[in-house]
Amino acid sequence: QKEVEQDPGPLSVPEGAIVSLNCTYSNSAFQYFMWYRQYSRKGPELLMYTYSSGNKEDGRFTAQVDKSSKYISLFIRDSQPSDSATYLCATGGGSNYKLTFGKGTLLTVNP
Amino acid sequence: DGGITQSPKYLFRKEGQNVTLSCEQNLNHDAMYWYRQDPGQGLRLIYYSQIVNDFQKGDIAEGYSVSREKKESFPLTVTSAQKNPTAFYLCASSMGLAGGRIYNEQFFGPGTRLTVL
Repeated sequence: QKEVEQDPGPLSVPEGAIVSLNCTYSNSAFQYFMWYRQYSRKGPELLMYTYSSGNKEDGRFTAQVDKSSKYISLFIRDSQPSDSATYLCATGGGSNYKLTFGKGTLLTVNP
Repeated sequence: DGGITQSPKYLFRKEGQNVTLSCEQNLNHDAMYWYRQDPGQGLRLIYYSQIVNDFQKGDIAEGYSVSREKKESFPLTVTSAQKNPTAFYLCASSMGLAGGRIYNEQFFGPGTRLTVL
């Protein structure tokens, strides 16, 4: 079983839709959870950071972590064409600094 | 302006040549990382360094080498031993250990696209 599984999509939605992106992970030692956004041919940009279980909201973005089911989610409200990108989940924990990334979900928001 | 810079943006290499990719950060971060990104493969860790003068192999270190002589710099050399070097290379950094907590949020540079001719 891979450490982090992420549906690669592609996911296509109309402008204004609510988008749900998800990942599952297998290592119960993971405590830190992140979402990155990557535009084509650019470096990933950190969107959301969460420690342990719970929700975190930042504008139109909400990150959710359920450690009991090892499930992490990113919700985008009122999606915009500028949200069209690849979204990567990442997790980490323990004494080293490494992160384990999902393979990314390609999202297209159509005007 | 704080951040991570990578150069060059595009790099072309002939087979059998070694090339060095530059990565510099002015964020005062202790830890630095090199990833390779191929279509459909996600990010794969090549090497990482948690502190100056120390580095560890990642998941796909064969055919690559690094050095960490200065805190702000972490160059990656792609050697002729790397069988399929054409890829998008990303450098990242994180703060590391501070105040008893590990700050492992990674911040990425813009990437270098390497093509072997």
